Amino acid sequence: AQRVTQPEKLLSVFKGAPVELKCNYSYSGSPELFWYVQYSRQRLQLLLRHISRESIKGFTADLNKGETSFHLKKPFAQEEDSAMYYCALHTNNNDMRFGAGTRLTVKP
Amino acid sequence: GAGVSQSPRYKVAKRGQDVALRCDPISGHVSLFWYQQALGQGPEFLTYFQNEAQLDKSGLPSDRFFAERPEGSVSTLKIQRTQQEDSAVYLCASSFLGGVGSYEQYFGPGTRLTVT
Repeated sequence: AQRVTQPEKLLSVFKGAPVELKCNYSYSGSPELFWYVQYSRQRLQLLLRHISRESIKGFTADLNKGETSFHLKKPFAQEEDSAMYYCALHTNNNDMRFGAGTRLTVKP
Repeated sequence: GAGVSQSPRYKVAKRGQDVALRCDPISGHVSLFWYQQALGQGPEFLTYFQNEAQLDKSGLPSDRFFAERPEGSVSTLKIQRTQQEDSAVYLCASSFLGGVGSYEQYFGPGTRLTVT
């Protein structure tokens, strides 16, 4: 079965602390993974994709095929990082599977 | 230019009514996607168009759901005989080229449908 699991619905950290949002996937093919973010009162938007190996707003995510994970990390969280984060998997059937999302709150 | 727009932003329908939700993608974007997002859940894929061709409709939950994009631009998602379980936010996204994963998807603000 093709599935994306985000085990934490809510995550709260203090400003300046490291943050890791977990994402695990189940997929038999070669995965293509993304992180999307939705800030308050804004649209869902792409944060980063594994194929680009980029760092956006200080966030990085490494695809670990052995652990079937694509965790999102940032060494020093900022208050403006507070948002809803979704991990997503593109499948060969040409659909996109989203996780249920993690609400990150960064406290001052 | 303008991003993806959707109308109406909010829709309240009585159970059994038909509804039509509109999506205006970014001009020139070839691919268009519809998602359903229930409360507290992530978006769930419904269907995908490349220009006017509906290449994947595997996510449509029942034959009450129908989507079209007749001229390869604006798309309409129609739900017939709405049921309470249809209550959700319906998201539209477009991308410049390619399949679902090849290029960034740009999302609209969504239409919140409430079926009473």
